[in-house]
Amino acid sequence: DGGITQSPKYLFRKEGQNVTLSCEQNLNHDAMYWYRQDPGQGLRLIYYSQIVNDFQKGDIAEGYSVSREKKESFPLTVTSAQKNPTAFYLCASSIGQAANVLTFGAGSRLTVL
Amino acid sequence: KQEVTQIPAALSVPEGENLVLNCSFTDSAIYNLQWFRQDPGKGLTSLLLIQSSQREQTSGRLNASLDKSSGRSTLYIAASQPGDSATYLCAALTGANNLFFGTGTRLTVIP
Repeated sequence: DGGITQSPKYLFRKEGQNVTLSCEQNLNHDAMYWYRQDPGQGLRLIYYSQIVNDFQKGDIAEGYSVSREKKESFPLTVTSAQKNPTAFYLCASSIGQAANVLTFGAGSRLTVL
Repeated sequence: KQEVTQIPAALSVPEGENLVLNCSFTDSAIYNLQWFRQDPGKGLTSLLLIQSSQREQTSGRLNASLDKSSGRSTLYIAASQPGDSATYLCAALTGANNLFFGTGTRLTVIP
């Protein structure tokens, strides 16, 4: 079945460590997105990529980095510069280069100890 | 900047009842309005997408309407079931990749 796979589902990190969240899709979608979800807040866009080897900052890109070396993969690195990284991270993709119907992964929950 | 609001934050209804979830947005220049469902600890599932030129969309027991001029959308759920219990989020697309989400309405359907 086609879909988006995020891993790991749960991740614990010590302060000062970088961590990378994986996002893989087999839907042949062009665009991929990373969102952050915090309790009581709407999803906020971190980064998005419309085509391979290109990506754009979203509303809250500081302290994060991404790469898009393959169409299927869009990993997110949470760096030590992110001051409050504990959150639920969601990866999504869409056909074409615009955020029309989004398909979401199951999410990754990052906790900083 | 687009702001999307969903009221109420939580709603409990008895099984079988029809219900309406509300979504309002501040910038009427939207491309589309989307409704999602999220189960606890899970990702989002797309329910309905209404293009800016449309007034409503229907899928099974779900009907979503859009009134751009007043900045409002509603999601109508008919004959609610316990399996409908989840958080429902709306999102307004402003620009090609600017999807602004509301904070959601947590629905509980009581058997």
